[in-house]
Amino acid sequence: DTGVSQDPRHKITKRGQNVTFRCDPISEHNRLYWYRQTLGQGPEFLTYFQNEAQLEKSRLLSDRFSAERPKGSFSTLEIQRTEQGDSAMYLCASSTDRGGEQYFGPGTRLTVT
Amino acid sequence: QKEVEQNSGPLSVPEGAIASLNCTYSDRVSQSFFWYRQYSGKSPELIMSIYSNGDKEDGRFTAQLNKASQYVSLLIRDSQPSDSATYLCAVIRGGSYIPTFGRGTSLIVHP
Repeated sequence: DTGVSQDPRHKITKRGQNVTFRCDPISEHNRLYWYRQTLGQGPEFLTYFQNEAQLEKSRLLSDRFSAERPKGSFSTLEIQRTEQGDSAMYLCASSTDRGGEQYFGPGTRLTVT
Repeated sequence: QKEVEQNSGPLSVPEGAIASLNCTYSDRVSQSFFWYRQYSGKSPELIMSIYSNGDKEDGRFTAQLNKASQYVSLLIRDSQPSDSATYLCAVIRGGSYIPTFGRGTSLIVHP
């Protein structure tokens, strides 16, 4: 088991561009979560999948953000028309459906210039 | 009032001492509680989970839960400089699968 992986690890983009991040969860985990974390804050929930179904999305999440998990395996998070306020660490985590323990990937650090 | 509150610290303890980290939560129907460790520039790493009132021990770590008083704590015995990190408390309410994280407490263990 190689753990949760995320790609890319770092992304620098200009304001207004679109970016897409990928997350590969632990293989037997059917739940997948996306979070955003800024300096000095805990991870902030963005969205959550159970298998391929997106079951919940944060009310704070702008409609510029979209996520998919086709076939219930890897997931992608896309941010359209990026803004400087989108600069943050984007974290992916996965878990089984037997408990709440989540295992995080290394994160993707986004810098919007 | 924030849903999950932690003192941001830093909490500074000497090597070998017991570090005590506290977390309070506001939602009385919270049922699952977790502690994560996060080194600077890295992602959170699960340390412990606790679901029932009382203590749960794992090596040098002990989690304590008191649902009546709505707090959960983490004790680190024989603290080491390598324990220096931010410790995040996470809480899941009953019927949900989504944790709410506190801001974390920065722990510094000095030699």
